[in-house]
Amino acid sequence: GAGVSQSPSNKVTEKGKDVELRCDPISGHTALYWYRQSLGQGLEFLIYFQGNSAPDKSGLPSDRFSAERTGGSVSTLTIQRTQQEDSAVYLCASSAGQGPGNTIYFGEGSWLTVV
Amino acid sequence: GENVEQHPSTLSVQEGDSAVIKCTYSDSASNYFPWYKQELGKRPQLIIDIRSNVGEKKDQRIAVTLNKTAKHFSLHITETQPEDSAVYFCAASPSGGSNYKLTFGKGTLLTVNP
Repeated sequence: GAGVSQSPSNKVTEKGKDVELRCDPISGHTALYWYRQSLGQGLEFLIYFQGNSAPDKSGLPSDRFSAERTGGSVSTLTIQRTQQEDSAVYLCASSAGQGPGNTIYFGEGSWLTVV
Repeated sequence: GENVEQHPSTLSVQEGDSAVIKCTYSDSASNYFPWYKQELGKRPQLIIDIRSNVGEKKDQRIAVTLNKTAKHFSLHITETQPEDSAVYFCAASPSGGSNYKLTFGKGTLLTVNP
């Protein structure tokens, strides 16, 4: 596609429910990233994929968070047993490869509200 | 790991004035420093970046400077316009020339008053 696409754009869920957030990276981009943006907290790294493998998942805040990527393309971020502190914008990004010169492009984000 | 501090958190200027946003980083191995602009409700978009082998880079009204010794870099916007109003984020790559894991500052809300 023309850009990184994320769905849903907005999600309101009840505390304790599971949610899935989807990311379609730019076609051909091998690297995919998930970041979380909370008010006043900047962009917090969650996990990085190269192809279908995740060399760095150090930013996942707890074992309630998981992510997978299939076919070297679409990625899903799953949050189990959601808590109110999970409310944030979840941003997906992709790049053609690693290293300077491979610009990271962001999607519009999925705004998650846990009530 | 890398830690990026960004100042100020908010900045208000008059149209036509210059704006400067400063960032410091902690990991001396970082060598890639992009700046992203995020308008309200929109995605962050890269506006300029700099690598550690240069000290300054310009693109029209935007410039970035880097001082590796002091571990700080700055964004300079000249002749500001209302459409420059947005949140600006600096970032640094942690090591080894890989930008796979950008560490971001907390952002600066820039308001340009007409």
